[in-house]
Amino acid sequence: DQQVKQNSPSLSVQEGRISILNCDYTNSMFDYFLWYKKYPAEGPTFLISISSIKDKNEDGRFTVFLNKSAKHLSLHIVPSQPGDSAVYFCAASAQSNQFYFGTGTSLTVIP
Amino acid sequence: EAQVTQNPRYLITVTGKKLTVTCSQNMNHEYMSWYRQDPGLGLRQIYYSMNVEVTDKGDVPEGYKVSRKEKRNFPLILESPSPNQTSLYFCASSLLGARDTQYFGPGTRLTVL
Repeated sequence: DQQVKQNSPSLSVQEGRISILNCDYTNSMFDYFLWYKKYPAEGPTFLISISSIKDKNEDGRFTVFLNKSAKHLSLHIVPSQPGDSAVYFCAASAQSNQFYFGTGTSLTVIP
Repeated sequence: EAQVTQNPRYLITVTGKKLTVTCSQNMNHEYMSWYRQDPGLGLRQIYYSMNVEVTDKGDVPEGYKVSRKEKRNFPLILESPSPNQTSLYFCASSLLGARDTQYFGPGTRLTVL
């Protein structure tokens, strides 16, 4: 059973606008969350993370929001750029070194 | 250059023929892990290792073996591959564990006929 879900397989956004990628999880024990970005024919690369003691973390154009009561996190990219076009995976862990990834959302930023 | 390398990058094999996919990192990382990526299922963790001689099962360990005899290497072994192990495999490493940035290798595309 998928413990981390990304219900939108794809998303298209105009350049300069905001991209919002969503992720839901079912395990209330998860306390550390990450976003990875993946280009075709490459391995995933780390983007941003958030601990459950926070509800927001920013890094430049990327912001991750965590809503623990809703078991929901989101990644905001603003402004979106064509180079942001990639597959984005959210991931979660629970006081262990085991990781659970979502199914990914393919973001296309249209110039 | 700091990196995680995997070999081979592409492999086509037949059912039952034992194979090993190698993974090596040059960053002196403690933590290493193997994932498989399948359409509609995302990335799923197969095995991980926090240190030499310490390995743990991930979400989908069936049909796979690993070993961690040296810190830098973490090979993935398929003793008797089956078609349902056709997938894209990624090795990853991090300095301190899953709560640290994981660096991924470029992937190994495996096809089992």
